[in-house]
Amino acid sequence: EVQLVESGGGLIPPGGSLRLSCVASGFMFSDHWMNWVRQPPGKGLEWVGRLNSGGTGSHYSDSVRGRFTISRDNAKNTLYLEMNNLRVEDTALYYCVTRLTTDASLDHWGPGTLVTVSS
Amino acid sequence: EIVMTQSPATLSVFPGERATLSCRASQSVSNKLAWYQQKPGQAPRLLIYGASIRATGIPARFSGSESGTEFTLTINSVQSEDLALYYCQQYHNWPGTFGLGSKVEIK
Repeated sequence: EVQLVESGGGLIPPGGSLRLSCVASGFMFSDHWMNWVRQPPGKGLEWVGRLNSGGTGSHYSDSVRGRFTISRDNAKNTLYLEMNNLRVEDTALYYCVTRLTTDASLDHWGPGTLVTVSS
Repeated sequence: EIVMTQSPATLSVFPGERATLSCRASQSVSNKLAWYQQKPGQAPRLLIYGASIRATGIPARFSGSESGTEFTLTINSVQSEDLALYYCQQYHNWPGTFGLGSKVEIK
């Protein structure tokens, strides 16, 4: 069974930093692109960024580019999201997501971890 | 960035009725269109990809179709457990953008 479990969320003041983790199991982690998608409370979904299987190629949304960095440790089956210079508008539930089905979009989601940016 | 526009914002249906949700892309996304279902307190679940292909384990009452830049999610014979928000998403261009969602309520 595919499992994605995020951790590391919490309350952080504006300008602060936080690192989220996502531990994957049930599939060959090192073969697949990995993604972070976020959802502010009561609002819609935003694809934050993605990282290729080897960790050498990434894409970010305009809203986080230059502040957020996605990385991975394939030996530990773990994906990371390093978030710097956090803003109030970064407050959201952050999902770790992957695509295992050819030509599909995002087909396996973790339950999410909540990041609250507030003073 | 491609803008995805969903309608209606809310749809209220009786159990057993058909629900039809629409999604329009601001430019061509080919058939790179997905539909997700999000129940209260849960992560989204992929229902449809490639505009019309049901994801693994999705009941046959869910179907998707396309006509140019217009996409439709149909739920035949709505069940009480279909109460949820439904999002469309294009993944033709980065960043894959989502619509604002359509809420399905059960009368």
